[in-house]
Amino acid sequence: ETGVTQTPRHLVMGMTNKKSLKCEQHLGHNAMYWYKQSAKKPLELMFVYSLEERVENNSVPSRFSPECPNSSHLFLHLHTLQPEDSALYLCASSQGSGNTEAFFGQGTRLTVV
Amino acid sequence: GQSLEQPSEVTAVEGAIVQINCTYQTSGFYGLSWYQQHDGGAPTFLSYNALDGLEETGRFSSFLSRSDSYGYLLLQELQMKDSASYFCAVKTGRRALTFGSGTRLQVQP
Repeated sequence: ETGVTQTPRHLVMGMTNKKSLKCEQHLGHNAMYWYKQSAKKPLELMFVYSLEERVENNSVPSRFSPECPNSSHLFLHLHTLQPEDSALYLCASSQGSGNTEAFFGQGTRLTVV
Repeated sequence: GQSLEQPSEVTAVEGAIVQINCTYQTSGFYGLSWYQQHDGGAPTFLSYNALDGLEETGRFSSFLSRSDSYGYLLLQELQMKDSASYFCAVKTGRRALTFGSGTRLQVQP
């Protein structure tokens, strides 16, 4: 098992669909993150879950909804997305939310049509 | 807020040395990290500098000057497999890392 596993690797969805991205980490970490990566832009932090707190980037639209049922699993629920939401969505984990070494999954390449 | 600047692209030849710079503007700075990402792959951790100076890990070294809000990643004896995007990231307190836009390094034969 790789450290951080994301499914699916690729997803094409219509603007009226509802889908979910899944992330699982096998590293025993206690913090997990969702990042959005668009071409030629910085990795944009969307959500953080840790033992201490859940932190959100206030600029993330409500059509993105995270869920973290336990320290090993993280979901990103998607509904009524826009074409500009097409991007690579990366999950990461670390030991502690401020840890400098984060371990990333391979990402889900999302295309909204 | 935080902002980081790094060059968008750098080209070098095999066996050469290349330096990728990163300048940052943050509040509550703790340290600077570097990540490597190959096309289609996940970002992977390379190094972290909390204190001024040079940290060496094999062919890669990372430097930090807190007074200048500046750091760089130095890659020596370049190999074709080093072609990738390199991201600097800052740690500011307990929050997650904030990343730069990335520098795409192309190594030519």
